[in-house]
Amino acid sequence: GEEVAQTPKHLVRGEGQKAKLYCAPIKGHSYVFWYQQVLKNEFKFLISFQNENVFDETGMPKERFSAKCLPNSPCSLEIQATKLEDSAVYFCASSQSPLAGANEQFFGPGTRLTVL
Amino acid sequence: AQKVTQAQTEISVVEKEDVTLDCVYETRDTTYYLFWYKQPPSGELVFLIRRNSFDEQNEISGRYSWNFQKSTSSFNFTITASQVVDSAVYFCALSEAGGGSYIPTFGRGTSLIVHP
Repeated sequence: GEEVAQTPKHLVRGEGQKAKLYCAPIKGHSYVFWYQQVLKNEFKFLISFQNENVFDETGMPKERFSAKCLPNSPCSLEIQATKLEDSAVYFCASSQSPLAGANEQFFGPGTRLTVL
Repeated sequence: AQKVTQAQTEISVVEKEDVTLDCVYETRDTTYYLFWYKQPPSGELVFLIRRNSFDEQNEISGRYSWNFQKSTSSFNFTITASQVVDSAVYFCALSEAGGGSYIPTFGRGTSLIVHP
């Protein structure tokens, strides 16, 4: 597609439940990035992929968070046993270049996760 | 380590006023990229501009202009004759060549409110 698509738009989970977010990058873009934005503040980088391979996971919390980009499927970000502090908007972005910051990243509309 | 400071948390102006959003960055790299993004109330992130560290030429795009000054490590953004539709949170971001993945660091954003 011509835009980065993210589903669902909103997700509400009780504390301890699993949350799974999806991202379809722009067709032809090999690089996918996940960011977390809490309270409309700064964006925290989580993880990036080059096709189905993890490119950079330095921002990924070691526990409870996992992500995948499988061929012919939307990428996913999964949070096991959600906590209140996981409440945020999760943005996905895609890019044509491995030099992700050197080129424009196209952002999706985000998924707002609310943990109650 | 890279750092972006947007000291102005919120700016309020009346329509048709000019407004400048400040961005100061820190980096040890000689090769880096600077960005501005707009996040309107609807939540999506809109790319506005990318500048590389070797190009200090200022840029104008319609009512928007950017002033990049390496001497002061600043990349300020000016909106001329502001309009209500300019109301949004604006993020400045920096990505460095060091480390290879160029993952951008975002500032905390400046909320611009344009009153009619």
